[in-house]
Amino acid sequence: EAQVTQNPRYLITVTGKKLTVTCSQNMNHEYMSWYRQDPGLGLRQIYYSMNVEVTDKGDVPEGYKVSRKEKRNFPLILESPSPNQTSLYFCASSLREQGSSYNEQFFGPGTRLTVL
Amino acid sequence: DQQVKQNSPSLSVQEGRISILNCDYTNSMFDYFLWYKKYPAEGPTFLISISSIKDKNEDGRFTVFLNKSAKHLSLHIVPSQPGDSAVYFCAASGGTSYGKLTFGQGTILTVHP
Repeated sequence: EAQVTQNPRYLITVTGKKLTVTCSQNMNHEYMSWYRQDPGLGLRQIYYSMNVEVTDKGDVPEGYKVSRKEKRNFPLILESPSPNQTSLYFCASSLREQGSSYNEQFFGPGTRLTVL
Repeated sequence: DQQVKQNSPSLSVQEGRISILNCDYTNSMFDYFLWYKKYPAEGPTFLISISSIKDKNEDGRFTVFLNKSAKHLSLHIVPSQPGDSAVYFCAASGGTSYGKLTFGQGTILTVHP
């Protein structure tokens, strides 16, 4: 089954304790992205990756890191989490076809993070 | 600066009637628009899209209309069903950043039996 998986689905942590949220897709997609969803703000892009070893900042990258060492994985790293990073996080992936300005993005089930 | 806005946080309709969800945008570089549907505890799933070269796109009960001059799009669901109850996000893509989606705040649709 084609899918995007995220782990963990729920996480409660404390300020300053480093954490990683994993994201994996089995569709051989080049493009991957992280979003956070907050009430009244919709989904906002944190980081994205066009392909292996190619990453760039989205709209709200502060406090986050990413890496793309393999095509299928795109982990989100919070080196020193703070309470304002309490949010619902989604990973997404899509093909990147030449000549196309957009391809449908497939989303993971979400990770609800609480930072105390 | 909210470039994509859904000004109605919620909408309630009767089963069988039409649901109309609205979305406004400000960035004239957007050239592709999408609607995503989200159930609780799940990720958003793609519903329907429209390119800026069109003004209408239909897929079964779902139709998206685009008015470029007004920078406005709408999603029509006819007839509405209880299973359509979900959060609907409008999203836009375009400009220099490939693949980036700019989302609206979402509208909670409730369809009553």
